[in-house]
Amino acid sequence: GQNIDQPTEMTATEGAIVQINCTYQTSGFNGLFWYQQHAGEAPTFLSYNVLDGLEEKGRFSSFLSRSKGYSYLLLKELQMKDSASYLCAVGRGSTLGRLYFGRGTQLTVWP
Amino acid sequence: IAGITQAPTSQILAAGRRMTLRCTQDMRHNAMYWYRQDLGLGLRLIHYSNTAGTTGKGEVPDGYSVSRANTDDFPLTLASAVPSQTSVYFCASREGLGNEQFFGPGTRLTVL
Repeated sequence: GQNIDQPTEMTATEGAIVQINCTYQTSGFNGLFWYQQHAGEAPTFLSYNVLDGLEEKGRFSSFLSRSKGYSYLLLKELQMKDSASYLCAVGRGSTLGRLYFGRGTQLTVWP
Repeated sequence: IAGITQAPTSQILAAGRRMTLRCTQDMRHNAMYWYRQDLGLGLRLIHYSNTAGTTGKGEVPDGYSVSRANTDDFPLTLASAVPSQTSVYFCASREGLGNEQFFGPGTRLTVL
């Protein structure tokens, strides 16, 4: 595999902020993706980073450090509906779209 | 329809049987992908197609074949199913210059 590591589970309370980390080791890196997947449903795209820095999109932000092989997804003002699995994926090689996924982080938001 | 459809929704199959999972998209996306998702292992790419008429192997291609006769359809065939192919299969597509992959609803396959 591509050695993509992320925590298996996380919990947080409504209204809080949570940071989900992802580390990776790969050659031919061409982007870091985050997807959200609710139980029994298909993954849906959240964010894409190819350059270092923070990308903000509403309550969700994603950060990338290519030199450290590190990314995080930051979720603010947590809501119950944010309870889901969050998948970190690395794009690799000259073929765009070939993604290698981590095992996912199951986030549970408590009231 | 709008988006990606997959059929069947679920299937129980005897080992050794041949099975084709269907995937159709109406977004005119050039690239399409097949993944399997297993508990504890995450999503793994089986095969992909960058454009109609071309296909490529992903991480776990053995035991699977694909074809891409046109832009809309990308069927996945298991020539002789084995129990280790029990999984949830997701089809996805991507617009040529875009980064986002759009996933279908999935097919839950059980091989006994």
